[in-house]
Order: sequence, then C-alpha cells, then structure tokens
Amino acid sequence: QLQLQESGPGLVKPSETLSLTCTVSGGSISSGSYYWGWIRQPPGKGLEWIGSIYHSGSTYYNPSLKSRVTMSVDTSKNQFSLKLSSVTAADTAVYYCAGHLAFAPYRFDYWGQGTLVTVSS
Amino acid sequence: QTVVTQEPSFSVSPGGTVTLTCGLSSGSVSTSYNPSWYQQTPGQAPRTLIYSTNTRYSGVPDRFSGSILGNKAALTITGAQAEDESDYYCVLYMGSGIWVFGGGTKLTVL
Repeated sequence: QLQLQESGPGLVKPSETLSLTCTVSGGSISSGSYYWGWIRQPPGKGLEWIGSIYHSGSTYYNPSLKSRVTMSVDTSKNQFSLKLSSVTAADTAVYYCAGHLAFAPYRFDYWGQGTLVTVSS
Repeated sequence: QTVVTQEPSFSVSPGGTVTLTCGLSSGSVSTSYNPSWYQQTPGQAPRTLIYSTNTRYSGVPDRFSGSILGNKAALTITGAQAEDESDYYCVLYMGSGIWVFGGGTKLTVL
C-alpha cells in the first residue's frame, strides 16, 4: 500500500515561491501505473487540481495556474515536487499530493494527509 | 473555463435517500468524463467512493451508488447514516491530462 507524505515550509511570503515535496513510500514512483499530482484546498473551500506529473517528467497543469506552476520528479528519492511562483494570500491552502491512475479507469487512489501553507508577510 | 457544478449543501434524515449531482456549466456530463466521487470529513484527506461513473471503490458500503441522471453525474446514498455527514466532491477527467473538481456538497444527516 503506497503512502504519500507532503513536506515543505508552512509559511511563505507574498510574491515568493511556494515549494513542496511529496515522498512516496511502500512502492516505486516509477511503477508506470500512476501519475502523481497536487491538489489544494483553501480554508473552508473546495478542492482544486493543480497538476500532475509522470515518472518520465511528462506534466499536465491546470490552465488557470499553468503560468506559475512547475512540477518535477526525482525517481532516485521516490519524490515529486511542486513550485508555485508569485504567491498571494489566495494561494493559502492545504496542499495534498496524490496518485491517480495513468489510464482508465481514471481515479485518485492515493492521498497524502495534506499540509497547510499560509501566504503572509 | 470549465466549471463543474454541485449543490452547495443538502440534508437527509437518517435512513433516508439522497442524490447529489455533478453537472457542467456548459454541456452534459457523460460517462466519457469518467466521473468519480470523493468523501471528505473535516481535517482529513478525501476518500474515494465511486469511479467510472458507477463503480464502488474497494471497501465502500453498497449504500453508495453512482449513475448518470439526465445530463449530470449523480451520487446516491440509500439509507443514510450519521457517519455519512461529510463533504462530497465529484471530479471529471476532461481528457488531455486535465481534471476538474466540483465545488463540493456539504451533506448534513439530521
């Protein structure tokens, strides 16, 4: 059973870059069956898909965030990462990493516990 | 900009049946969008309930079912229990690697 764990600063200043890492344990990030994604949830609001990455480095991003998002993968460490640039208070949210199938049936199978990132000076 | 719509809130009596829906601001939801449903309780990560429109995820009680009703995806809870009081999210796979979550429905069981 795969487990995902987010890590990174809980406080980021406005205009700076938010950086988070997700460590996958219990299996290989390179298994080929999964894309690895980031989803966020502002306090009291709904879920928003940010983007996903394959172990090869292939990425898909939410069009509304695409200009500010960069995702990367480190297969040697079984980790994938998110960078969100030029953050504002609107980027304050719980950030989840997740694994979803790379093919049908499309579904999210694995979720991290989430990490709260606050954007404030 | 694709918007996936859900009822903001719903209430159901214990033992009752409730149907939550998932629509598109423009167009109809079909099975080709692979609608899936997730349950989230406060402070917890989402839990997968239904995928591919109507397939229950492993370990999900059979009181949860999914379908297409008209032009929307639907999640029906038959015989609601107090523990079903949660937020419910649908998500559509739009193709080309793009996922869109609905705004979520807060379900109250009372």
